[in-house]
Amino acid sequence: GENVEQHPSTLSVQEGDSAVIKCTYSDSASNYFPWYKQELGKGPQLIIDIRSNVGEKKDQRIAVTLNKTAKHFSLHITETQPEDSAVYFCAAKNYGGSQGNLIFGKGTKLSVKP
Amino acid sequence: EPEVTQTPSHQVTQMGQEVILRCVPISNHLYFYWYRQILGQKVEFLVSFYNNEISEKSEIFDDQFSVERPDGSNFTLKIRSTKLEDSAMYFCASTRNRNEKLFFGSGTQLSVL
Repeated sequence: GENVEQHPSTLSVQEGDSAVIKCTYSDSASNYFPWYKQELGKGPQLIIDIRSNVGEKKDQRIAVTLNKTAKHFSLHITETQPEDSAVYFCAAKNYGGSQGNLIFGKGTKLSVKP
Repeated sequence: EPEVTQTPSHQVTQMGQEVILRCVPISNHLYFYWYRQILGQKVEFLVSFYNNEISEKSEIFDDQFSVERPDGSNFTLKIRSTKLEDSAMYFCASTRNRNEKLFFGSGTQLSVL
């Protein structure tokens, strides 16, 4: 089955700097890769996602890149702000496959220092 | 914005007791899920539910677990005889279509003593 590895487990940056979180997946049949942000006391909230037919997607300060050959994808946050501080999870899924469930990475705790 | 709601937010129980975790999915959603997250570990899939039956389950979802949609709005997870290792945050999620985005609730923190 699918296995998703996520690095780093913790990341501390200064406000205004960029943050990059990386994930690798094992199942080449996976074709959907969402990123979730989890703030304290809340459930995971989808912030951006990418399908395997594109290599990059951007939404304001957030971007995700996908390298299908290497089976890795990354989240990029530019001009970080204190409110970006949270735990970020990557996930992978095979749309159209028999398995409808998301496989998550272990999470990255991002701290943005003012 | 519609959201998935879960109750209670915290549940403490004694080992061997039964617990029921409750969820109200988004009203027009048809697919329902339970995930759990043991402290410091990955969010893990437990079970998915569609059309009043389980569509998939993981190896974690053994005979001690069951799910039910007792009415048109609630979706419950029952753990029949809790074990210490069942202590985790349990998340309910729903989606309108299995190929669409998944929306998560805020979770129930279950502590088994």
